[in-house]
Amino acid sequence: AQSVTQLDSHVSVSEGTPVLLRCNYSSSYSPSLFWYVQHPNKGLQLLLKYTSAATLVKGINGFEAEFKKSETSFHLTKPSAHMSDAAEYFCVVPKGGTYKYIFGTGTRLKVLA
Amino acid sequence: DVKVTQSSRYLVKRTGEKVFLECVQDMDHENMFWYRQDPGLGLRLIYFSYDVKMKEKGDIPEGYSVSREKKERFSLILESASTNQTSMYLCASSLPTGLNNEQYFGPGTRLTVT
Repeated sequence: AQSVTQLDSHVSVSEGTPVLLRCNYSSSYSPSLFWYVQHPNKGLQLLLKYTSAATLVKGINGFEAEFKKSETSFHLTKPSAHMSDAAEYFCVVPKGGTYKYIFGTGTRLKVLA
Repeated sequence: DVKVTQSSRYLVKRTGEKVFLECVQDMDHENMFWYRQDPGLGLRLIYFSYDVKMKEKGDIPEGYSVSREKKERFSLILESASTNQTSMYLCASSLPTGLNNEQYFGPGTRLTVT
């Protein structure tokens, strides 16, 4: 059965420093994986998605993620944090054979001035 | 660009009222979803619909019903609102998940039941 685990519920970084948000997945096959961002009192916005075309995926706002099958990971990174990156981030995998999606518990990113 | 709109950003209702939350998408997506989001509990699926007039219960359907009479519109109904239904409600749409398609979310409706 598919699942995703976001390893950190909160991450704090200083503005201008790198961001790393961690996501591990469990799946019996190579899944699709998504990262979404949610700013306060807003809906979720797709940052990027992996669909097996390339293991390094570039998304919006300078974010990227690397699919590592050997580590069952799909960590989200950004070289330099900006104040506007402060938000909650969700790692998501479709639940195979159903219409459903499995959401991680979210990582709240705080960016310090 | 896919657009998913929700009828209200903020809503305040009284206990026992019937509440309608409307969601409209403009990309001809087959699938539509209603979630609620609560602190510490993440996103929980209430109902989803994979076609007009077709629906399936999600993980927490109790106290809710849905309606999908047209492909672009998916309504969530709280038959008799209760205070424990105070929450952020998010609507989403997607092409069939078998094709590994992402969901597109609306801006959310923050519902307060007093």
